[in-house]
Amino acid sequence: RKEVEQDPGPFNVPEGATVAFNCTYSNSASQSFFWYRQDCRKEPKLLMSVYSSGNEDGRFTAQLNRASQYISLLIRDSKLSDSATYLCVVNKNNNDMRFGAGTRLTVKP
Amino acid sequence: NAGVTQTPKFRILKIGQSMTLQCAQDMNHNYMYWYRQDPGMGLKLIYYSVGAGITDKGEVPNGYNVSRSTTEDFPLRLELAAPSQTSVYFCASMGGGVITEAFFGQGTRLTVV
Repeated sequence: RKEVEQDPGPFNVPEGATVAFNCTYSNSASQSFFWYRQDCRKEPKLLMSVYSSGNEDGRFTAQLNRASQYISLLIRDSKLSDSATYLCVVNKNNNDMRFGAGTRLTVKP
Repeated sequence: NAGVTQTPKFRILKIGQSMTLQCAQDMNHNYMYWYRQDPGMGLKLIYYSVGAGITDKGEVPNGYNVSRSTTEDFPLRLELAAPSQTSVYFCASMGGGVITEAFFGQGTRLTVV
């Protein structure tokens, strides 16, 4: 089993749609969780950290369920500029940081 | 503030050649990482370091070596290049702590022919 697994995608949605991405992790000792965004042929950049209580940043909401070892990202009111690959990242207690394979999102006019 | 700098940006190697991918950060970060990303795939951890003098294997370390003699530099060495090592290589650094952001270099596109 992979350490971090994500929805395979791709997701193709119209502008204004709400889209959700899921991620599961295998190591129950994992301590911190993130969503990164990667544009085509660019380096990944932090989108948001994921806190146990769930957190929101504008149109983006991240949730963590430690019992189920599950992380989610919800994007509301999708914009064309949201088109990218979204990477789920899990940081184990020794700062061994693992990435999921990514989910590609295309937002269409 | 340069952040994380990787060199070279592009390289073509012949099978069996060796090379070193350079990575330097100027943020005084303890943690540094090397990842490879194959087309359409996520990032796979090759090696990481939690501080000068300390390195650990990630999930795909075979065919690579690293060293961390200073806080700033974390070079990745390919000794006998193989076509399977054709990939984009990303270096990252992180300050440490539980909730902290990793900063990436712009990547090195390596082709082995």
